[in-house]
Amino acid sequence: QVKLLQSGAALVKPGDSVKMSCKASGYTFTDYIIHWVKQSHGKSLEWIGYINPYSGGTNYNEKFKSKATLTVDKSSSTAYMEFSRLTSEDSAIYYCARAAQDWGQGVMVTVSS
Amino acid sequence: DVVMTQTPVSLSLAIGQPASISCKSSQSLLGTSGKTFLNWILQRPGQSPKRLIYQVSKLYSEVPDRFSGSGSETEFTLKISRVEAEDLGVYYCWQGTHFPHTFGSGTKLEIK
Repeated sequence: QVKLLQSGAALVKPGDSVKMSCKASGYTFTDYIIHWVKQSHGKSLEWIGYINPYSGGTNYNEKFKSKATLTVDKSSSTAYMEFSRLTSEDSAIYYCARAAQDWGQGVMVTVSS
Repeated sequence: DVVMTQTPVSLSLAIGQPASISCKSSQSLLGTSGKTFLNWILQRPGQSPKRLIYQVSKLYSEVPDRFSGSGSETEFTLKISRVEAEDLGVYYCWQGTHFPHTFGSGTKLEIK
């Protein structure tokens, strides 16, 4: 079955970057876009952007354009999101999702000195 | 950005009762393709979201048929004909017609 396995929780310092992964299995990786979504504690969901694994093309929410970088490694069916210049506002759970369908388990990122 | 307004904020229902959740968008979600990219997802406590409905009314294969979606343009509704214990959690609508994609603020369903 379709699975999206995300990397583990991260504790990072303000100003640092974090790169998280989303390993896909159970389907042809290049057939579906991968969305990235932010969920701040106890709050709703924010769409960060998506990447087309086939072409590498991306579409970002303007709010996150200078913050997030989406990439893929087709050889390992893995999508990546790098989040840079982290602040306390970036502490959240980050999800990857295959199209609007299947979701990863989420990565909790905590930004603290 | 398209604002998605969900009501009510919360629902407390007994098992077997019907549920109805409204989602209104600040712009029409009818795309140039003729399709309306309005999805519903459910986030159970402590879990990641799960898919329920896509393109307004199409249920994913594993979703029980007590769930239904309807609506058009700017007004959409998710209905549960008879609530079951496993239905508790937060329901979100999610539009994928316009960039950036946006989510509703969620409706929390509690079981009495």
